[in-house]
Amino acid sequence: AQSVTQLDSQVPVFEEAPVELRCNYSSSVSVYLFWYVQYPNQGLQLLLKYLSGSTLVKGINGFEAEFNKSQTSFHLRKPSVHISDTAEYFCAVIMDTGRRALTFGSGTRLQVQP
Amino acid sequence: DAGVTQSPTHLIKTRGQHVTLRCSPISGHKSVSWYQQVLGQGPQFIFQYYEKEERGRGNFPDRFSARQFPNYSSELNVNALLLGDSALYLCASSAGPNSPLHFGNGTRLTVT
Repeated sequence: AQSVTQLDSQVPVFEEAPVELRCNYSSSVSVYLFWYVQYPNQGLQLLLKYLSGSTLVKGINGFEAEFNKSQTSFHLRKPSVHISDTAEYFCAVIMDTGRRALTFGSGTRLQVQP
Repeated sequence: DAGVTQSPTHLIKTRGQHVTLRCSPISGHKSVSWYQQVLGQGPQFIFQYYEKEERGRGNFPDRFSARQFPNYSSELNVNALLLGDSALYLCASSAGPNSPLHFGNGTRLTVT
């Protein structure tokens, strides 16, 4: 079975500081990896995805993530955050077989303070 | 272009009742998936439909059912509601079963 672990439930950070949101996964087969953002009272918006190729993936709003197969990690980073980045961030995985169902982590609340 | 639309946005039901949630996919998208997001948790997969056929089912009881119509819209039905069914129900559409998902803003269901 596959699972996704987001170790940090909340990450407070000051505006213009760098941030890293951690994500680890477990799967016995190849996976596709995703980061989604959820603003209050809204659905999920795709930030970036790793399907294959370069392990460094760039997404929208200045975010990037690096796939590390040996450490089964897919951490999300941004060099300088803005107040508007305050939201819930979810890491998700799809197994490279059959059904395309996302398995989500429990989420990390990013709180950007002025 | 309109995104994924869900109705209603909020709903309050009593234990034991049933509920129907509706989803209209992005124009041209033929696949619809449903997820349940309990407060403080990540979304959990319930169903995926493609071309009106069920393509996948998550670990949910038989009280949960869904269907997809010829126009690719979808309904999620939940019978015999329990307090634990209180959650945000998210619908996502995609062009095909292996294409990126686009999520709606969800239906907030409260069971009292």
